[in-house]
Amino acid sequence: GDSVTQMEGPVTLSEEAFLTINCTYTATGYPSLFWYVQYPGEGLQLLLKATKADDKGSNKGFEATYRKETTSFHLEKGSVQVSDSAVYFCALSRVNRDDKIIFGKGTRLHILP
Amino acid sequence: EADIYQTPRYLVIGTGKKITLECSQTMGHDKMYWYQQDPGMELHLIHYSYGVNSTEKGDLSSESTVSRIRTEHFPLTLESARPSHTSQYLCASSEREGLEDTQYFGPGTRLTVL
Repeated sequence: GDSVTQMEGPVTLSEEAFLTINCTYTATGYPSLFWYVQYPGEGLQLLLKATKADDKGSNKGFEATYRKETTSFHLEKGSVQVSDSAVYFCALSRVNRDDKIIFGKGTRLHILP
Repeated sequence: EADIYQTPRYLVIGTGKKITLECSQTMGHDKMYWYQQDPGMELHLIHYSYGVNSTEKGDLSSESTVSRIRTEHFPLTLESARPSHTSQYLCASSEREGLEDTQYFGPGTRLTVL
């Protein structure tokens, strides 16, 4: 079945470091891909999305490119801030099927000042 | 940005009590969802609805029940709470944006059953 695999955390970085959180997926057809972020004590917020191969989603300095050849959607940011500390979820949407979203298990990110 | 509300935000109750977790959205979305989030952060879909009078069980078996009498309201009920129900419950709604559905989440209800 469809699935999302993302790197296990926690990931701990110093402020201004470069961030990569790996995400790969398995799906039939052509899913849409998402990154959601969950700040402490809150629900999930959509961070960015991409709907077809080679699309790049971007928001708040974060970027991810839909790579069909490697079935990947890695999240990157050039210079992280303490305020980026959160849990990040990679997800896919089963377009034109049941439209459910399949989430990865989440990656906790800690940014040290 | 979607507005989706959950009450209460925190609830501590004793075993055997009946509880209802409220979820409302003001965007007119047809699709709504309930997720259970365990301490390890993983999300599990427990219920969903594609419209009024439509409810389905999700991927994770749950003793809770849901109803969808109005588009904007999707409450979750536990008839007899137990310590194993202690968890974070997240409600979401979605709309079609282009080819795909984008889900919007409420702030969650953290339930503790003693």
